[in-house]
Amino acid sequence: LAKTTQPISMDSYEGQEVNITCSHNNIATNDYITWYQQFPSQGPRFIIQGYKTKVTNEVASLFIPADRKSSTLSLPRVSLSDTAVYYCLVERRDDKIIFGKGTRLHILP
Amino acid sequence: EPEVTQTPSHQVTQMGQEVILRCVPISNHLYFYWYRQILGQKVEFLVSFYNNEISEKSEIFDDQFSVERPDGSNFTLKIRSTKLEDSAMYFCASSGGGQEGAFSYEQYFGPGTRLTVT
Repeated sequence: LAKTTQPISMDSYEGQEVNITCSHNNIATNDYITWYQQFPSQGPRFIIQGYKTKVTNEVASLFIPADRKSSTLSLPRVSLSDTAVYYCLVERRDDKIIFGKGTRLHILP
Repeated sequence: EPEVTQTPSHQVTQMGQEVILRCVPISNHLYFYWYRQILGQKVEFLVSFYNNEISEKSEIFDDQFSVERPDGSNFTLKIRSTKLEDSAMYFCASSGGGQEGAFSYEQYFGPGTRLTVT
């Protein structure tokens, strides 16, 4: 499984756009890039998944450059409730998830 | 929106006792998983289950652990003789549903069962 590298923590303010970048230099051809969110004492929650270029849903956007060696999760206009741990994962879609430590995002008022 | 449910939400047991953690995955899903998260640590994969058999298991999933899908709806994790270090949050997840062309692989996680071994 490809290893990912993402910031340990980030702070931002309510109403700002937050971009969390993840590096995955050894991504394989059949790997997808997936982001999960986890609140304390809750199960991880799927946010978004992509293979290349840009994917957008009602929660976030995912930007993937042509070489796929990195990706950026973009959260528009964050609120206090977006404070959570965000995991960047690179995996085959039908495979187990290997979680890293993720990025602790702290939103300030 | 469909969801994965888990019972109980909190289980306290004594060392050496057997526990069964229960999960009801999303009804049309095909892949089932158990993960655990020790307080303050990463979420760790335990086992995956597909087509009524274990498809993969981690080093954590030793002979003390077993999984079952007894009736087509429940998915259980049994720990035969609990140890103090089994204290953790246990998450069930399921994935793999939908029709051809719109098959979804995203894993849906349950709310977890907090297991405390004393």
